[in-house]
Amino acid sequence: AQTVTQSQPEMSVQEAETVTLSCTYDTSESDYYLFWYKQPPSRQMILVIRQEAYKQQNATENRFSVNFQKAAKSFSLKISDSQLGDAAMYFCAYPGGSQGNLIFGKGTKLSVKP
Amino acid sequence: DAGITQSPRHKVTETGTPVTLRCHQTENHRYMYWYRQDPGHGLRLIHYSYGVKDTDKGEVSDGYSVSRSKTEDFLLTLESATSSQTSVYFCAIRVSGAYNEQFFGPGTRLTVL
Repeated sequence: AQTVTQSQPEMSVQEAETVTLSCTYDTSESDYYLFWYKQPPSRQMILVIRQEAYKQQNATENRFSVNFQKAAKSFSLKISDSQLGDAAMYFCAYPGGSQGNLIFGKGTKLSVKP
Repeated sequence: DAGITQSPRHKVTETGTPVTLRCHQTENHRYMYWYRQDPGHGLRLIHYSYGVKDTDKGEVSDGYSVSRSKTEDFLLTLESATSSQTSVYFCAIRVSGAYNEQFFGPGTRLTVL
């Protein structure tokens, strides 16, 4: 079965510092996409960043970047210059379901300290 | 936000009553999904649709049914609600294209007493 694992239930970071959230996944596919979603207290699921597996270059979106290691099946999210508004649940997701659905990790709750 | 709305946003109901949640999209996407979110589980697929009147079951479909009579609307029905169906329900659409990424509605918090 395809699985996505987030090993850090909770993380904390000081405002303006950098934090990395971990994600590993299991797949036998060679070409696929990976996603990170942010869920703030408003409950809305917001797509933060995406990565294509065949691309060597790690994706970046402003202060958000990924460290994608295909051989290790690792897809971590780095948040630079953390802001109070970054406090949220973060979910790693892989579209590995047989119906094209996303398979989610259990999430990491990020707190940002002023 | 990909033009996705869900109604109601909050609902409290009693065990044994039927409940219908509605998802509405404005951009004509073919694929739509219903997920539920529970603490410690992330989001899990309940049902999905790949076109009008074309639906199929997901990982946690027991106790749920769906219907899609129009492209823009995807309904999730709990025939006889149980306390185990207390959850947050998300509808999502899949954008056909390079990434096939999914965008989510704002969610419905359902409490079954």
